[in-house]
Amino acid sequence: AQTVTQSQPEMSVQEAETVTLSCTYDTSENNYYLFWYKQPPSRQMILVIRQEAYKQQNATENRFSVNFQKAAKSFSLKISDSQLGDTAMYFCAFMTSGTYKYIFGTGTRLKVLA
Amino acid sequence: SAVISQKPSRDICQRGTSLTIQCQVDSQVTMMFWYRQQPGQSLTLIATANQGSEATYESGFVIDKFPISRPNLTFSTLTVSNMSPEDSSIYLCSVRKAGAIYNEQFFGPGTRLTVL
Repeated sequence: AQTVTQSQPEMSVQEAETVTLSCTYDTSENNYYLFWYKQPPSRQMILVIRQEAYKQQNATENRFSVNFQKAAKSFSLKISDSQLGDTAMYFCAFMTSGTYKYIFGTGTRLKVLA
Repeated sequence: SAVISQKPSRDICQRGTSLTIQCQVDSQVTMMFWYRQQPGQSLTLIATANQGSEATYESGFVIDKFPISRPNLTFSTLTVSNMSPEDSSIYLCSVRKAGAIYNEQFFGPGTRLTVL
């Protein structure tokens, strides 16, 4: 069975600084997708970034980028130039290709400090 | 993406009663899902809402407790039946659109349910 582990329950970062959120996963599958979702206090889950396992190039979306290490089964999220609006719970998620079921991690609560 | 609305946004209910939560999408979608997020925890999939047929429930969730309807491609309801305080959670619907390259899902704003 697949599992997703986020080992940092809470983190904080100063505004404009860079922060990295960790995520590791366990699977025997070779084809899968990985995602980072953001859930601000408003509760709306927002897709931040996604990565296909077969792509070696790390995904980037503006200030958000990932460090995908397939052999190590690691998928960390880097937020550059942190903004107050980045304050949220961040969930790492795994999905086997050809399926629709997410496996979510337990989340990391990020607080950006002014 | 998709614009998803849920009603109600929050409710406080008495033990033993039932609440129906609505999920409306601004466009036709292939798949709709219902999740539960218990306080301080991650999301757990309750069921997949199938258009024109019974929902597909995950282990630990049953139709009698969480009946689901999906009368068309843009709308679904989840009922939480015979509620107890343990049902206090945020309930979220999500959708997957046809042609979604990464199979990603888009989530509604959630319904915060408190059972007294």
